[in-house]
Amino acid sequence: DAGITQSPRHKVTETGTPVTLRCHQTENHRYMYWYRQDPGHGLRLIHYSYGVKDTDKGEVSDGYSVSRSKTEDFLLTLESATSSQTSVYFCAISGIADEQFFGPGTRLTVL
Amino acid sequence: GQQLNQSPQSMFIQEGEDVSMNCTSSSIFNTWLWYKQDPGEGPVLLIALYKAGELTSNGRLTAQFGITRKDSFLNISASIPSDVGIYFCAGPDSGAGSYQLTFGKGTKLSVIP
Repeated sequence: DAGITQSPRHKVTETGTPVTLRCHQTENHRYMYWYRQDPGHGLRLIHYSYGVKDTDKGEVSDGYSVSRSKTEDFLLTLESATSSQTSVYFCAISGIADEQFFGPGTRLTVL
Repeated sequence: GQQLNQSPQSMFIQEGEDVSMNCTSSSIFNTWLWYKQDPGEGPVLLIALYKAGELTSNGRLTAQFGITRKDSFLNISASIPSDVGIYFCAGPDSGAGSYQLTFGKGTKLSVIP
């Protein structure tokens, strides 16, 4: 299994509070991705990174920001959480091929 | 962007039966990936296909890259209870770059013991 961890694994927060999710990899892969998974929508790309300090928006980036200061860490921040951001968030990594490897996920509930 | 259509959306089968599912696209893909997601877990890569017509096996799983490059198939032989989960197909989004993937919405498999 690819060495990917996500923290926290579960979080409950209140509307309007900031939230940061962390993805950590031990594979030294260049590309890292944040997805959200919701019933009926499948996996949707939020943001991705193609190197340290190089990030770009995905399909559903509004309300989210990311940072990558080290190869191994990719942070996803919800500046002011809303109930519509209740979801399961997955981090993924890939090297030089198209294959992506996923982390275990973070279940976020915004009350 | 590109879209992938998976069918069936869900299926209930008896343990021991064979399973077939497919994924189609209106545009050509150069790679097809098949993932399985267990409840409460992240998707796990099962099989990667890189050439049209390619047939690749992983244990009881066999996947094929369609010769038109617009479809792919996944077969599971002699299903067992641990095959339960959601199976996703995926392929690189040629319009997006940076190794972004387009995912199908998944086929949910239930196995009746």
